[in-house]
Amino acid sequence: SQTIHQWPATLVQPVGSPLSLECTVEGTSNPNLYWYRQAAGRGLQLLFYSVGIGQISSEVPQNLSASRPQDRQFILSSKKLLLSDSGFYLCAWAGPSTDTQYFGPGTRLTVL
Amino acid sequence: KNEVEQSPQNLTAQEGEFITINCSYSVGISALHWLQQHPGGGIVSLFMLSSGKKKHGRLIATINIQEKHSSLHITASHPRDSAVYICAVTGNQFYFGTGTSLTVIP
Repeated sequence: SQTIHQWPATLVQPVGSPLSLECTVEGTSNPNLYWYRQAAGRGLQLLFYSVGIGQISSEVPQNLSASRPQDRQFILSSKKLLLSDSGFYLCAWAGPSTDTQYFGPGTRLTVL
Repeated sequence: KNEVEQSPQNLTAQEGEFITINCSYSVGISALHWLQQHPGGGIVSLFMLSSGKKKHGRLIATINIQEKHSSLHITASHPRDSAVYICAVTGNQFYFGTGTSLTVIP
């Protein structure tokens, strides 16, 4: 069966510090991968999606970036965090020929 | 038992009908979300609620915090409303419902 992992579960970082959130999927090959954010007072927002290794599409311009170094690994990064980067970060995967997305447990990021 | 339960799982309606999708949750939350996923598309956030009621076009979302229940209503449904509707809550982590697949027939 397929599983999706995210870590860390919670993170508190100072403004200006770097960020690296990792998402890995098991039990499937060539998934489509997604990063979403839910900021305080706002709904879910799609940040990035990837249809293959090294292929990243950005939905919203910001100080975040994403990378996919391996087929089932998706990383969300920032060089310098802003206060506005606080929120819930969710990773999701979908099969290459299906539309249903499966979400990870999320990372709660607080930037102080 | 899932932390978030939705009903019905599948729903077929005639164009113009009034539609209600229900969501119940069992955890403490700071917000509840209604999400929409069209075939071939990503997930779109429709509403985020922490109390009361919100309206956007033909969509209305309500939440009763005491009863831990929310409803999504679609008035004058249209075939383009056909999608999967997902209820999700923000608690200690994000909990998703299993989704309701809606098909609106012309």
